[in-house]
Amino acid sequence: GAVVSQHPSWVICKSGTSVKIECRSLDFQATTMFWYRQFPKQSLMLMATSNEGSKATYEQGVEKDKFLINHASLTLSTLTVTSAHPEDSSFYICSANYNEQFFGPGTRLTVL
Amino acid sequence: AQSVTQPDIHITVSEGASLELRCNYSYGATPYLFWYVQSPGQGLQLLLKYFSGDTLVQGIKGFEAEFKRSQSSFNLRKPSVHWSDAAEYFCAVGAGSGGSNYKLTFGKGTLLTVNP
Repeated sequence: GAVVSQHPSWVICKSGTSVKIECRSLDFQATTMFWYRQFPKQSLMLMATSNEGSKATYEQGVEKDKFLINHASLTLSTLTVTSAHPEDSSFYICSANYNEQFFGPGTRLTVL
Repeated sequence: AQSVTQPDIHITVSEGASLELRCNYSYGATPYLFWYVQSPGQGLQLLLKYFSGDTLVQGIKGFEAEFKRSQSSFNLRKPSVHWSDAAEYFCAVGAGSGGSNYKLTFGKGTLLTVNP
């Protein structure tokens, strides 16, 4: 099956710094990728839809200047959490479209 | 807007027993429905999906689900649970223009514990 990877798998950073998370489709090309956020013991919430070669579409309530998304190629989308704060600590998961959505293993972000 | 309700936060069953996980959805049109499983520290794996056609859908690992439009439900079942089935299960509804380019709305998940 299609494989999606994320890097890093976990990251700890200080408040005020920026963190970049990569989402790669390893064996297929994806014009559309999605970014989700999952709080402990809660569901996945769609943050944004990332489209190759165009601007991302953000869900209501998601700050686009806070969560920068770049879909520079058909196999790579990046999510940058800018000026991270403790409330941004969460599990971030991406998915990529290839007849169905394939999910990455997630990135655990902890902001101190 | 679409929504998904999974009424059971946590279910415990004995190994070998049957399992049913409940899922109710709200969506104005014909929904795309999915069940995913998430093991600790792992990404989501698709168990099965319903787009159209036969309302009883077979998935991987011996799971099946039945779409009941009249009840707005898509319950997941397995006749005999294995210890390796212990995980978090998410029901999701997809909305979009068709194909695979849909947005997923997830339920809050049901944690399955399997007793030996």
